[in-house]
Amino acid sequence: NAGVMQNPRHLVRRRGQEARLRCSPMKGHSHVYWYRQLPEEGLKFMVYLQKENIIDESGMPKERFSAEFPKEGPSILRIQQVVRGDSAAYFCASSPAGGASYEQYFGPGTRLTVT
Amino acid sequence: SQQGEEDPQALSIQEGENATMNCSYKTSINNLQWYRQNSGRGLVHLILIRSNEREKHSGRLRVTLDTSKKSSSLLITASRAADTASYFCATDAGGTSYGKLTFGQGTILTVHP
Repeated sequence: NAGVMQNPRHLVRRRGQEARLRCSPMKGHSHVYWYRQLPEEGLKFMVYLQKENIIDESGMPKERFSAEFPKEGPSILRIQQVVRGDSAAYFCASSPAGGASYEQYFGPGTRLTVT
Repeated sequence: SQQGEEDPQALSIQEGENATMNCSYKTSINNLQWYRQNSGRGLVHLILIRSNEREKHSGRLRVTLDTSKKSSSLLITASRAADTASYFCATDAGGTSYGKLTFGQGTILTVHP
């Protein structure tokens, strides 16, 4: 049973370009979470999605950031018109269901560098 | 200070010694989880302890939770060089925030062979 997959592992974008980060949850998991980790810091929650639904996006910046988890295919975190401050590691996690009793399994992360 | 703060920020010990890391949080929680992160890698889930539990064991790991003090501790016994990593606690407040983990800044543990 493969774990949470993220791609690409490393992404370099120039300022103003778009970044698309993909996350395939573990088999059987229908809940996906995105977190951002800035250098030397802990992870910060961004968004929580179920298939075709955004459950909680309270951690998402209001502009330029969007996330989706379609019925088919991976979850996508999209950052439009990237700026240097977007440089960070973005982690995706999944769980079999929602609720506080379920462990979240993390992917290896995508390291975004904005030049 | 933030929800889920670890103490100390860094810990350096010799192989075979025990390592204790503490985590404090501010709001009531549904559960608290500990994760390990090796440098430049993803997070590995270690233990989940629910708010109605006081202690949990897994191999060389022992986690305690004191909801009256809003604190938790992670004890690694008989440490090994391979335990070198950053350790994070994460809280789930439940309710309308369920599924949203709040992480602390982490404790960097270095175990010298």
